[in-house]
Amino acid sequence: AQTVTQSQPEMSVQEAETVTLSCTYDTSENNYYLFWYKQPPSRQMILVIRQEAYKQQNATENRFSVNFQKAAKSFSLKISDSQLGDTAMYFCAFISEGNYQLIWGAGTKLIIKP
Amino acid sequence: DGGITQSPKYLFRKEGQNVTLSCEQNLNHDAMYWYRQDPGQGLRLIYYSQIVNDFQKGDIAEGYSVSREKKESFPLTVTSAQKNPTAFYLCASSMIRGGSYNEQFFGPGTRLTVL
Repeated sequence: AQTVTQSQPEMSVQEAETVTLSCTYDTSENNYYLFWYKQPPSRQMILVIRQEAYKQQNATENRFSVNFQKAAKSFSLKISDSQLGDTAMYFCAFISEGNYQLIWGAGTKLIIKP
Repeated sequence: DGGITQSPKYLFRKEGQNVTLSCEQNLNHDAMYWYRQDPGQGLRLIYYSQIVNDFQKGDIAEGYSVSREKKESFPLTVTSAQKNPTAFYLCASSMIRGGSYNEQFFGPGTRLTVL
């Protein structure tokens, strides 16, 4: 069975600091996609960044970047220069190619302190 | 504006009642999905539909039913058979293109509480 594990239920950092959220996954598939979603207090689910498993280069989106380690099945999210608006639940998710079902981690609650 | 709407935002149900959650999208997406979100857990798939008049069960379909009579609409009915329906429900949609992943876009959600 495919699973996604987020080992940090909650994290907090000071504004402007850098924070890394962890995610590990388990799959026997070779072609798949990984995602980080953000869910702020409004509860709107927003895609932050995605990574294609066949790409060796780590994805980046402005202050957000990932460290994708395919052999270790690890997919961490780094947020640089954190801002108060980054306060949210962050979910790691996985989908294998050709499938329609996203597999979700339990989430990490991130609090950015002023 | 293109997007996904869900209504109502908050819904209260008495024991033994069926309730229907609305989901509408104007993104011209083929696929639509219903997820359930409980505290401390990730999202779990209830049902999904790739085409009008067709849908498939997800991991937790028991006690739920759906219909897909129009491309734009994918209502979810929570029946009295669902033993613990209090949760946050999210609807999503995506395009369908072969050989790639198609990003799922989410609605704002409906909070269902059983009284």
